[in-house]
Amino acid sequence: SAVISQKPSRDICQRGTSLTIQCQVDSQVTMMFWYRQQPGQSLTLIATANQGSEATYESGFVIDKFPISRPNLTFSTLTVSNMSPEDSSIYLCSVAGKRGTDTQYFGPGTRLTVL
Amino acid sequence: QQQVKQSPQSLIVQKGGISIINCAYENTAFDYFPWYQQFPGKGPALLIAIRPDVSEKKEGRFTISFNKSAKQFSLHIMDSQPGDSATYFCAASMGGTSYGKLTFGQGTILTVHP
Repeated sequence: SAVISQKPSRDICQRGTSLTIQCQVDSQVTMMFWYRQQPGQSLTLIATANQGSEATYESGFVIDKFPISRPNLTFSTLTVSNMSPEDSSIYLCSVAGKRGTDTQYFGPGTRLTVL
Repeated sequence: QQQVKQSPQSLIVQKGGISIINCAYENTAFDYFPWYQQFPGKGPALLIAIRPDVSEKKEGRFTISFNKSAKQFSLHIMDSQPGDSATYFCAASMGGTSYGKLTFGQGTILTVHP
């Protein structure tokens, strides 16, 4: 199984600022994803982090608001830009195993509060 | 068509009882159906998963039942324990270019009373 760490684990930020969340995996993985979990809600996929190319965003999410980097097969960052209180959520990194292995793992999440 | 509907929203079970959580989907392209368990302050952890070529999968006290024609699947937790108290999410994904992208149900908060 993959071990995923995220930094920071939580943060309180002011409106209008930006926060970059880091995701580190202990092994090389092909597929990395970023999800958002709003308070008391389910998880929603933000984007697929593609190594060496631009991320692929889901409907309702845009690169200007959630820029993503993936410089190698074990690391990715998600930035939440120009934050507002509506961005207060848990942001989770996940990785998928090799096709056909049917495994997908989640990091512990970053709990973001925007004042 | 991308939705996965989960019920109930919350469930209270006595220790030793059976917990049953249900999910329904519309998109017949989904071919992978995992269940996740999430404790407060933690990320979701994969519990058990099934593909539509089988109707049931059992791992310890956890069983997935899958009804392809009805487009429904359910999680059964036998001999429920207080330590099972958590939020459970069903999910679904498909292969191809969408491999690994999970669509989640709304979640079920399970409380097991001692």
